[in-house]
Amino acid sequence: ETGVTQTPRHLVMGMTNKKSLKCEQHLGHNAMYWYKQSAKKPLELMFVYNFKEQTENNSVPSRFSPECPNSSHLFLHLHTLQPEDSALYLCASSQGPGGGDTQYFGPGTRLTVL
Amino acid sequence: GDSVTQMEGPVTLSEEAFLTINCTYTATGYPSLFWYVQYPGEGLQLLLKATKADDKGSNKGFEATYRKETTSFHLEKGSVQVSDSAVYFCALSASSYGQNFVFGPGTRLSVLP
Repeated sequence: ETGVTQTPRHLVMGMTNKKSLKCEQHLGHNAMYWYKQSAKKPLELMFVYNFKEQTENNSVPSRFSPECPNSSHLFLHLHTLQPEDSALYLCASSQGPGGGDTQYFGPGTRLTVL
Repeated sequence: GDSVTQMEGPVTLSEEAFLTINCTYTATGYPSLFWYVQYPGEGLQLLLKATKADDKGSNKGFEATYRKETTSFHLEKGSVQVSDSAVYFCALSASSYGQNFVFGPGTRLSVLP
């Protein structure tokens, strides 16, 4: 596979469930990102990892827990979510954070919290 | 801090019409500028980019020129098609290492046959 892949593409979960989103990049990049895209709201940056180290957490609630075991994989662990957390969750990667580097996005996971 | 402003739309055009989506930015230094496109149900795809003043990015008939004097990066296409219906995002990546992307709010384009 090439580029940035995300699984699952669609997820429906109850508020008491625990689930995880997975992202994998095949581009040899060093930086990975989680974004949240809600209807009628701007794209929200959630987390940034550079060389597996978290470099940014944009005041994201603790019910979202990221994990980056290596530069190619990024997870977002979800627990006790709220209906307002329903959104499209996008993963992206770039060669480095900033410095003019292009970000490449995966297709997203459409999350619905019941 | 850095910011990107773009017309939010929605923009509705007839097929073969001329398209312009305005984008202006505020940034220190010399950012790289990007246009991304998001088709329904999909993630963002890079459409074109420009890394320095007066550069022109182009792809699939779309063009945008990096104008430092007006801090703008307007997206244009001479003749739109129904398949161009999507949301278009203008973005910048600051020249400083460690600075993240800044995205505009997106412009929804609908092209009618």
